[in-house]
Amino acid sequence: LAKTTQPISMDSYEGQEVNITCSHNNIATNDYITWYQQFPSQGPRFIIQGYKTKVTNEVASLFIPADRKSSTLSLPRVSLSDTAVYYCLVGLKGGSNYQLIWGAGTKLIIKP
Amino acid sequence: EAGVTQFPSHSVIEKGQTVTLRCDPISGHDNLYWYRRVMGKEIKFLLHFVKESKQDESGMPNNRFLAERTGGTYSTLKVQPAELEDSGVYFCASSQPGTGQETQYFGPGTRLLVL
Repeated sequence: LAKTTQPISMDSYEGQEVNITCSHNNIATNDYITWYQQFPSQGPRFIIQGYKTKVTNEVASLFIPADRKSSTLSLPRVSLSDTAVYYCLVGLKGGSNYQLIWGAGTKLIIKP
Repeated sequence: EAGVTQFPSHSVIEKGQTVTLRCDPISGHDNLYWYRRVMGKEIKFLLHFVKESKQDESGMPNNRFLAERTGGTYSTLKVQPAELEDSGVYFCASSQPGTGQETQYFGPGTRLLVL
């Protein structure tokens, strides 16, 4: 099962674009890359998921290079409410089993 | 649409007691997962149900933990007898399998403290 490596913490300012990069050197062919956001005292909240190239939704963009050994979560124009822990996960999808492997996450602090 | 709910939100018990956590997945989701985060550690997978069947319970720490999902709807996770090291936050997630991507939706968690 692939493990991920991401920065322990980052900070930025309101209105800036924030990019968080995650490495997953052992990603397997069947694995998707998923990012979650977690606020204190809440469960993780799904942000975005991708397999290759670029994925964009109303919240973020996810950039995945051709070798899929890393991915970058891009948060456009962050606000104070984006302060949270962000988890990069690589899931094994085999049959009906999809076990998520969690790392320590990146603690993102947005300053005014 | 209601999200994943968990009950109770907090539980404080003494070592040796029994606690039962409940998870109600999103209606219609066949997949139900239990995860746990012990203080200072990473979230760890416990087990996975597909409907009422246990698909993968490789993460269950020991036989003091018993998970059930009778009828394939809500699930319970019982800890009996509880030990100090069982303290942590227990998350439940649900998803609907598809042909491609699968997104797990998480509940708010149950915070368990064993004294």
